[in-house]
Parts: sequence; C-alpha cells; structure tokens
Amino acid sequence: QKEVEQDPGPLSVPEGAIVSLNCTYSNSAFQYFMWYRQYSRKGPELLMYTYSSGNKEDGRFTAQVDKSSKYISLFIRDSQPSDSATYLCAMSAVDSSYKLIFGSGTRLLVRP
Amino acid sequence: GAVVSQHPSRVICKSGTSVKIECRSLDFQATTMFWYRQFPKQSLMLMATSNEGSKATYEQGVEKDKFLINHASLTLSTLTVTSAHPEDSSFYICSARGGETGEETQYFGPGTRLLVL
Repeated sequence: QKEVEQDPGPLSVPEGAIVSLNCTYSNSAFQYFMWYRQYSRKGPELLMYTYSSGNKEDGRFTAQVDKSSKYISLFIRDSQPSDSATYLCAMSAVDSSYKLIFGSGTRLLVRP
Repeated sequence: GAVVSQHPSRVICKSGTSVKIECRSLDFQATTMFWYRQFPKQSLMLMATSNEGSKATYEQGVEKDKFLINHASLTLSTLTVTSAHPEDSSFYICSARGGETGEETQYFGPGTRLLVL
C-alpha cells in the first residue's frame, strides 16, 4: 500500500463547477500538507500549504485537512479552463527531514 | 518571492556525453535542494537531497556515480548526468526548501527535459 493514495482521474467537469480533489494517507506522522498544480511539461507550482488539521482558503481554492481520518481535500470553486492541469497532493513530517511524499496526481479537465 | 530557476530547459545530447543541469533559488537562500525525475503521466520520483557544503544523499536505487550533485552555494545546486544513455532521457526537476512559507515546503523549478540519442 502506498503512503499516499490519490485518484489519478481524469476528472472532467464543466466550466463553473466546484471541483473536489482528495488524498488519503497512512503515516500519522505527517504534519505538513501541500497541494501543487502541474501543467504539462512544467514544474509543480505550490497552490496551498496547511499545517496540521483545519481549513485554509485562498481565492477560489480551499484546502482541508482531517488528521483523524488521514484525509485531505482541495476544493476549487468556479472552475475555469485554465485550471486544467494535474494536481498533486504532498505531505511531510519533521522526523523525515521534511521530504515530500507525493500522491500520484489527479488530472483535471475543465470543459468550456 | 520563492522563485526557482533551472537551466537549460531542454537538452539533447549524444549517448556517452555528460550533461549538467543548474538549479538556482533566485530570491531566497536554500540550504537544502532536491532533485526529482518524472516519467510521462507519473508522479515525481525523488532522486537525491542536496545540502549546501556537504555530500548529497541519494535515494535507494539511484546511482551516485551516474548522477553527480554539487551544492556549492546557498542558491545553486547542479546535477550532472555522466555518460548519459537513452534510458536517462526524462524530465528532471529540482526544488528548493524554504522561502516565504518556511522550511516545510518546497518550491520547484520549471524542469529540464533531457533527450539522449
């Protein structure tokens, strides 16, 4: 079993829809949770960073962490065609020197 | 803030030659940088952790003599693929730890696409 599980998709939604992306994990030592967006042939771009449990909002993006369930989510409101990309969840722990453990990535397609 | 650059963005070389890829943190100092490899439609695979002023730490299965890493300053790490072969063709991405969100996050460069003929 992988440390971090993420549905690879692809996920296809119409423009304006609310998108929900999720990851589950098994290592209870993870404390830092990130979402990256990666366009084709580009490096990942940090979207959201959350420490421990809770919610964080930034514009159209909301990140949620539920440590009790070992489950994290990224919500995208009013999705746009420009949001079409691969979304990677990543997490790390202090005792692993902050090495990032990535999910496999979810491909998102927002249809005009 | 928190910008990481990579050079070159693309490189094509003949089998047997060596290729150097540079990774720079432009607006922050990074004591730790990471090198990843990514195959099409797959997630990132960590190759090594590069610490300024010390030897790199390689992940299991990564040949340290094939992938030479040097982290000579707080803003520059280099990856040299020695005696490259077609199976080394891949997308190489570096990241730097730190920046405006602190030591727990990594900021990634734009990647270098290597094609070995």
